[in-house]
Amino acid sequence: DAGVIQSPRHEVTEMGQEVTLRCKPISGHDYLFWYRQTMMRGLELLIYFNNNVPIDDSGMPEDRFSAKMPNASFSTLKIQPSEPRDSAVYFCASSLDRTGGTDTQYFGPGTRLTVL
Amino acid sequence: ILNVEQSPQSLHVQEGDSTNFTCSFPSSNFYALHWYRWETAKSPEALFVMTLNGDEKKKGRISATLNTKEGYSYLYIKGSQPEDSATYLCAFSSSARQLTFGSGTQLTVLP
Repeated sequence: DAGVIQSPRHEVTEMGQEVTLRCKPISGHDYLFWYRQTMMRGLELLIYFNNNVPIDDSGMPEDRFSAKMPNASFSTLKIQPSEPRDSAVYFCASSLDRTGGTDTQYFGPGTRLTVL
Repeated sequence: ILNVEQSPQSLHVQEGDSTNFTCSFPSSNFYALHWYRWETAKSPEALFVMTLNGDEKKKGRISATLNTKEGYSYLYIKGSQPEDSATYLCAFSSSARQLTFGSGTQLTVLP
């Protein structure tokens, strides 16, 4: 398997623009997670899905952020409008649903977002 | 808010030295403790998942122990090599599925 795939790997945009980050989880994985990594806050969970359904979005910073998972092999994280403080590395991860909470999460390579 | 703390924040050791670092987590509602290795410009890579008090896991020169009653885990690296240089993250899982990550220990192994 190719692992978790994320695109783009780097994104530079201007404040106010819409940004869409994409993720393809490992085939067969039931859970998909979106994380944000910043110097100040480390790696923090934004939202996660189980079988394409959002389960907990309490980590989403504000209404400018939205995430969807239209099918088992694709998810998007959208920021509209983007702000400079959104600059971070955004990771997607996926895991199997075996014994809840103990499954290893496999991370994608991340998208480095810079908002000017 | 779950508090997962790692110490030290950073560490420099000489090649061949053995080293260890600590992850502290809440001792209530424990479900699992994960260790990840994160190399610069790459994605976090899972090392261990531990669930039982007293668990010990080993992968090559790296091992980890778990004490759920007092809320800590140790990661040990025996005979450090330059390729071990990375940030080592622990993540705590309560009864929910979410992982709460610590801020990591940045290890640099000097040749």
